[in-house]
Amino acid sequence: AQSVAQPEDQVNVAEGNPLTVKCTYSVSGNPYLFWYVQYPNRGLQFLLKYITGDNLVKGSYGFEAEFNKSQTSFHLKKPSALVSDSALYFCAVSRLSGTASKLTFGTGTRLQVTL
Amino acid sequence: DGGITQSPKYLFRKEGQNVTLSCEQNLNHDAMYWYRQDPGQGLRLIYYSQIVNDFQKGDIAEGYSVSREKKESFPLTVTSAQKNPTAFYLCAIKAGGPGELFFGEGSRLTVL
Repeated sequence: AQSVAQPEDQVNVAEGNPLTVKCTYSVSGNPYLFWYVQYPNRGLQFLLKYITGDNLVKGSYGFEAEFNKSQTSFHLKKPSALVSDSALYFCAVSRLSGTASKLTFGTGTRLQVTL
Repeated sequence: DGGITQSPKYLFRKEGQNVTLSCEQNLNHDAMYWYRQDPGQGLRLIYYSQIVNDFQKGDIAEGYSVSREKKESFPLTVTSAQKNPTAFYLCAIKAGGPGELFFGEGSRLTVL
């Protein structure tokens, strides 16, 4: 079985400050890891993914994520937050073998960026 | 304009009634998915289809049914057997690499 934990229901940060949204995962074998973002009453949008290679992955809108195998974490980061980054963020995991697009999502973290 | 169209956006249903949610795509992708979203629970996979005339149960298929008669269409029926159907339903296609899903705008179902 595979699972993802997002320990924070909400993260608050001031505009211009760095942000981190935490994610830890559990999966047998090597994982595919993903971040998605959701704006109110909309579908999810793909931000970035880690499959193999560099532990630091860069994605859309200036976001990046750091894969840490020893800590089984895949935290989402951005050096300077914008008010428009306020949204619901989901981490997801999938196994490398089998149906690679059968994702297991975390419960989501709401990011609130204030002026 | 390419994309995924889900309809209706909002739907109200009385208990005991079946309801069908539409998902149409014109991006010519094979794999399509239905997820359910509840507050504080994230997204859970209901059904998915990797090719026409074939579909597989996800993690919470009980009380739901699907069909895949055409490549562009993957409708979801919420039956009266679904105990707690009020939720936000999201359809997605596999677009790009593994795990890169492209989602529709969702359908919000409320059972009165």
